[in-house]
Amino acid sequence: EAGVAQSPRYKIIEKRQSVAFWCNPISGHATLYWYQQILGQGPKLLIQFQNNGVVDDSQLPKDRFSAERLKGVDSTLKIQPAKLEDSAVYLCASSSPFDISHNDEQFFGPGTRLTVL
Amino acid sequence: KNQVEQSPQSLIILEGKNCTLQCNYTVSPFSNLRWYKQDTGRGPVSLTIMTFSENTKSNGRYTATLDADTKQSSLHITASQLSDSASYICVVSLDYGQNFVFGPGTRLSVLP
Repeated sequence: EAGVAQSPRYKIIEKRQSVAFWCNPISGHATLYWYQQILGQGPKLLIQFQNNGVVDDSQLPKDRFSAERLKGVDSTLKIQPAKLEDSAVYLCASSSPFDISHNDEQFFGPGTRLTVL
Repeated sequence: KNQVEQSPQSLIILEGKNCTLQCNYTVSPFSNLRWYKQDTGRGPVSLTIMTFSENTKSNGRYTATLDADTKQSSLHITASQLSDSASYICVVSLDYGQNFVFGPGTRLSVLP
């Protein structure tokens, strides 16, 4: 089966600019996650969607970050304006609570590496 | 507070040697524990999953153990290969598919 797709793979911007990331989950996966992974650390959940509804966005810096999943499939994550500390890898993952063979396994995309100068 | 700690932070071993990575958690309620492997520049990939009633699970040269009483897990890698160089992340699920707590990972380097 096709995996989780993310684009772009790399992005370099200057502080105060805007940036958007795109994620296409595995077909049929209702749950979609966005994570921020700073170098040398484990992923930190930013937002979790169930279909097109938000399940958890408690750690999303809402003054500058936004995410949407309008049709319950693809998702975009936006940062506006970016700060130096936003430099990280942004991972998208998807899962299906109905996929018994994989339990609640999250399947991750390759990530987008963001560098803010 | 729900937390997952991992040790060591980084590890360097020679090809062919064995190693063991540790994971301690304070997570409740516990659903399952996964070990993920994350190669440089890629997303994490699941290696093993263990529920409360399981105390060991193998996947090739990877063997994970779980002690639910002491809330500890380990990942043992046998006869390491250069391709084992990666970060290994311990992830505990609080309830089925809704809440996950990630550890910081252990960076393993296997040298020839």
